[in-house]
Amino acid sequence: GEDVEQSLFLSVREGDSSVINCTYTDSSSTYLYWYKQEPGAGLQLLTYIFSNMDMKQDQRLTVLLNKKDKHLSLRIADTQTGDSAIYFCAESPAGTDKLIFGTGTRLQVFP
Amino acid sequence: GAVVSQHPSWVICKSGTSVKIECRSLDFQATTMFWYRQFPKQSLMLMATSNEGSKATYEQGVEKDKFLINHASLTLSTLTVTSAHPEDSSFYICSARGTRRDEQYFGPGTRLTVT
Repeated sequence: GEDVEQSLFLSVREGDSSVINCTYTDSSSTYLYWYKQEPGAGLQLLTYIFSNMDMKQDQRLTVLLNKKDKHLSLRIADTQTGDSAIYFCAESPAGTDKLIFGTGTRLQVFP
Repeated sequence: GAVVSQHPSWVICKSGTSVKIECRSLDFQATTMFWYRQFPKQSLMLMATSNEGSKATYEQGVEKDKFLINHASLTLSTLTVTSAHPEDSSFYICSARGTRRDEQYFGPGTRLTVT
C-alpha cells in the first residue's frame, strides 16, 4: 500500500524542540520529504533526504531516517511561534514522479 | 527556491459552469506538473500528472472528462473543472518539477467554491 501516517497534532512551548514523526510503507522510495503548509497557503519544501542517508541537518532542522522501520522524523530546534503550521511528510516511490503525502501534523507553538 | 504561481487564488462559481485554473512556473522550465486537491484538514491527494506536450496521467478514481488538464508549454499547465458541482469545492494545488527529480515546487493553491 501507499499509506503514509503521521500523528495529527503536536503542541510545544516556544524555545523547546519539536519532533514530528512519520511512518511510510513503500521501501522503494528513493526520496523522502518534509513540507510545511501555513493556513490557506500552498506547500513549502523544508528539506528532503535521500534514502541512503540516515540523517540530514539543515540549520534548525534535523531529519532522521530509519529505513529498516520505515520511520522518518523531523526535529525543529528552538521552535518559534512562526513554526506553527501543518507539516507533511511525503515519499516518492522509485520509478515514479509521484509524491505520496502523509496525513499531516498540526504543530502549535505556545509562548 | 523556484517559484510557481496559480491563478486565480480563489474562485466562486455556480453549479454546472466550468472553471479553469492556471499553474505557471515563473523562473524555470517544468517538464512535469502535478495537480492535487486538498479537502479541509486533510492531506493532499494527487489527481494527475502532466508532461509537456502529452496527455495527462490520471490517478485512479479521478474522472478525466471532468478534470481536463492541458500542459501546453514548459511553463504552463491548466486544470479545467467542467460542469462543476458543490462536491468539487476544494483547495486545488499544483506543483512543478524541473530537471532535478528531487525537487518539486508547489503553487499557493486555488480555493474553488461551487454554489
